Amino acid sequence: EDKVVQSPLSLVVHEGDTVTLNCSYEVTNFRSLLWYKQEKKAPTFLFMLTSSGIEKKSGRLSSILDKKELFSILNITATQTGDSAIYLCAVGSGAGSYQLTFGKGTKLSVIP
Amino acid sequence: DTEVTQTPKHLVMGMTNKKSLKCEQHMGHRAMYWYKQKAKKPPELMFVYSYEKLSINESVPSRFSPECPNSSLLNLHLHALQPEDSALYLCASSHRTSGGFTGELFFGEGSRLTVL
Repeated sequence: EDKVVQSPLSLVVHEGDTVTLNCSYEVTNFRSLLWYKQEKKAPTFLFMLTSSGIEKKSGRLSSILDKKELFSILNITATQTGDSAIYLCAVGSGAGSYQLTFGKGTKLSVIP
Repeated sequence: DTEVTQTPKHLVMGMTNKKSLKCEQHMGHRAMYWYKQKAKKPPELMFVYSYEKLSINESVPSRFSPECPNSSLLNLHLHALQPEDSALYLCASSHRTSGGFTGELFFGEGSRLTVL
């Protein structure tokens, strides 16, 4: 059975801090690893990673994948209160139909 | 705003009711998904449709019945649900689901279902 494990499950930081969120996985037929941000409703897409060692960056957020060690990290620098959300790691897999398996998420709270 | 539209946003139903959730996308995506999300839990896959054909059913009880009338629409028919089926039901779409596709899923805002 495919497994995606995120840590920590929750995190409280002050504005301006830098945080690192972790995601490890065990899946068959790995295709991609994705990060989503979920506030009150639908998950919104952040990054998709398919190759090891290539950092993806968007503003204060960045992510990298290690396919040998089967993990990914999501970094957020200079955190703001608007970064407070649940960050979901999902792994895309499947020999035929593609599907995403989600981790339990990391709840990030940024306090002023 | 999401390009995947779900209706209704909220639904309250009794255990004997029959209702439907609807999902629509106009991005030309050929794969559509239903996920169920309970409070403080990650989304769990229910069904995948690929080119309007059901390709994955994650052992979902028959009281949930999916339907894909065309490439833009996905329905979830609900009948004789239980209170534990109360959850946020998320629809998603992606470009396709075969041939080595690796991309992102686009999610709708969800239908919050309460079963009394």
